[in-house]
Amino acid sequence: QSALTQPASVSGSPGQSITISCTGTSSDVGDYNYVSWYQQHPGKAPKLMIYDVSNRPSGVSNRFSGSKSGNTASLTISGLQAEDEADYYCSSYTASSTVLFGGGTKLTVL
Amino acid sequence: QVQLQESGPGLVKPSETLSLTCTVSTGSFSGYFWSWIRQPAGKGLEWIGRIYASGSTTYNPSLKSRVTMSIDTSENQFSLRLSSVTAADTAVYYCARELYGGNCDGWGQGTLVTVSS
Repeated sequence: QSALTQPASVSGSPGQSITISCTGTSSDVGDYNYVSWYQQHPGKAPKLMIYDVSNRPSGVSNRFSGSKSGNTASLTISGLQAEDEADYYCSSYTASSTVLFGGGTKLTVL
Repeated sequence: QVQLQESGPGLVKPSETLSLTCTVSTGSFSGYFWSWIRQPAGKGLEWIGRIYASGSTTYNPSLKSRVTMSIDTSENQFSLRLSSVTAADTAVYYCARELYGGNCDGWGQGTLVTVSS
């Protein structure tokens, strides 16, 4: 199982919107609506931001949204804020009933 | 809000077995999947595997030959054993509550395990 593909880094200015992509295969992202997104600040545990492609857990800002098309899922953060600067990871359920993570994307708020 | 806490040795010798326990407090233990995930320094997350309250397990194929997970529902604990460790197994190990579909909605703070002689 190869990791899902994410860009190594993205950046944006406060107030702008950014999108992070997560590309898998027809055996994971493309076949299941079980894509999650996690935010991880340095030295901290990951935090679930989006589950089941586009659902937000209670307490997560509506500036975070998720979508999927084919084998690629996307996380969009609108109204970028300094506190959004972190690493972001996608994950997907797979045909083997396992979980596959992406390599992670470092978001820099300029 | 579920709370999880990892515990175990921070240093393991090469070729030996890494053993960690996760204690879960606040909320129901049965009826959920419980997972282990690790992260080498400066690198991404790697799912190790999950165990259900019934004891059924699913492991990452790349680690399957070395991984054993167990669960003690009476103590609200689940455990990880990783055998024949090498330096490549040095990482922060997280335990997490995993919902159906692989979403992990609760995480421990993580514990660093270093493999070194």
